[in-house]
Formats: sequence, C-alpha cells, structure tokens
Amino acid sequence: GENVEQHPSTLSVQEGDSAVIKCTYSDSASNYFPWYKQELGKRPQLIIDIRSNVGEKKDQRIAVTLNKTAKHFSLHITETQPEDSAVYFCAASGVGTGGFKTIFGAGTRLFVKA
Amino acid sequence: DGGITQSPKYLFRKEGQNVTLSCEQNLNHDAMYWYRQDPGQGLRLIYYSQIVNDFQKGDIAEGYSVSREKKESFPLTVTSAQKNPTAFYLCASRGLAEEQFFGPGTRLTVL
Repeated sequence: GENVEQHPSTLSVQEGDSAVIKCTYSDSASNYFPWYKQELGKRPQLIIDIRSNVGEKKDQRIAVTLNKTAKHFSLHITETQPEDSAVYFCAASGVGTGGFKTIFGAGTRLFVKA
Repeated sequence: DGGITQSPKYLFRKEGQNVTLSCEQNLNHDAMYWYRQDPGQGLRLIYYSQIVNDFQKGDIAEGYSVSREKKESFPLTVTSAQKNPTAFYLCASRGLAEEQFFGPGTRLTVL
C-alpha cells in the first residue's frame, strides 16, 4: 500500500543552526504535501504545505522543497530556536478510490539546544 | 484552536468494555477523519468520512466502528475486539481545501 518514509527519526541541533527533514512517498497520485508540528500532548498544527505544481515554498525561517519525479520532499528550518523543539510530521495527500486521504510519516523529534 | 473539539480528554477503559470517543466540529466541513497515534509513531488512519451518512475504513479499522449521522459529529467506538487500544486518538476535519484541522485528542488507557 501507500506509505511515506521520514528521516531522521531524531535530530539534535545547536540553536542557530539549520535542520533538514526528508520524506519520500510512494503514491504517484499524491499532489498535496503538508508538514505538521506537534508539541508534547498537543494536536498537530500545520506549519507549511506545498502542492505538486510547485517546487519550493518559503515562509520566514521555514522552507519546503518538492521533487515530484523522485517523490522526495524536504523541510528546512533555518536559524533554529529552542521553541522549534517538537515532533515534525510530513504527509502526502491525494484523491484515491475512497476519496481524499492523507498518509503520514512516522515523525522526526527535533531537539534544539540552547 | 476552536472549531473542532474532542471529549473526553482522558478516558480509562476496562478490558472487554466498549467506549465511544466524541468528535464535533462547527467548521461546516464535509470530511472528517480518525487517527490513532502511538508513542514515537506517526498518525495511522482508522476511519474517514467524506460526507454525511458515508464512511470508509482506513488502514487500521479492525476493532473500531464509526457513524456519521450529522455533519458536525463523527464519533468513534473502540470495541472489545480491539486488542491494544491504549493510544492517543486524534480527530480531524477538512473543508474544500486540502488542509486538515485537528482536535485536541483523547488519550485512552486500558486498565
């Protein structure tokens, strides 16, 4: 079945450094790729998304790139801050036989050391 | 954070009991989703509904049941057939755009 692989599972960086999280997906019908941030015990919150007709999108310190041919997409966080510490999930969405579905990666736990 | 709510926040179940988790949204969204999250893992899809009176099984539907009698409500029942139900359960809704909005979650523990 469809799946999304996410790496690394844990990432530790020094405050001010950059963090990169990478994902690959298997379903060619996927055309929407959101990234969620989840703090401990809280709900996931959308931080950025990208659609398949775009190769890159940036929002302040956060950027996402998409290579649809290779089925890769990545999250880049620059100038990391302690409040960026959380679990980040990538996801791939598209319309299948049962309607619109989203498949999530397993998550990356990011630690930003002050 | 308003718009989609879940209750209760914490739920304890004895083995062999059925329990129902509530999910309500006032966003006028047609689509609603139930996910299960285990420690250190991603979100796995249990059931989803694209429209009232219709729902589909997700990847891990065994031991769960749902109903969608009203647009605003999508309750999830965890039955005794679910052998390992202890987890964090998240409900989400989606409107015309692709973005899903999540509820605050229910943490279910089997005693």
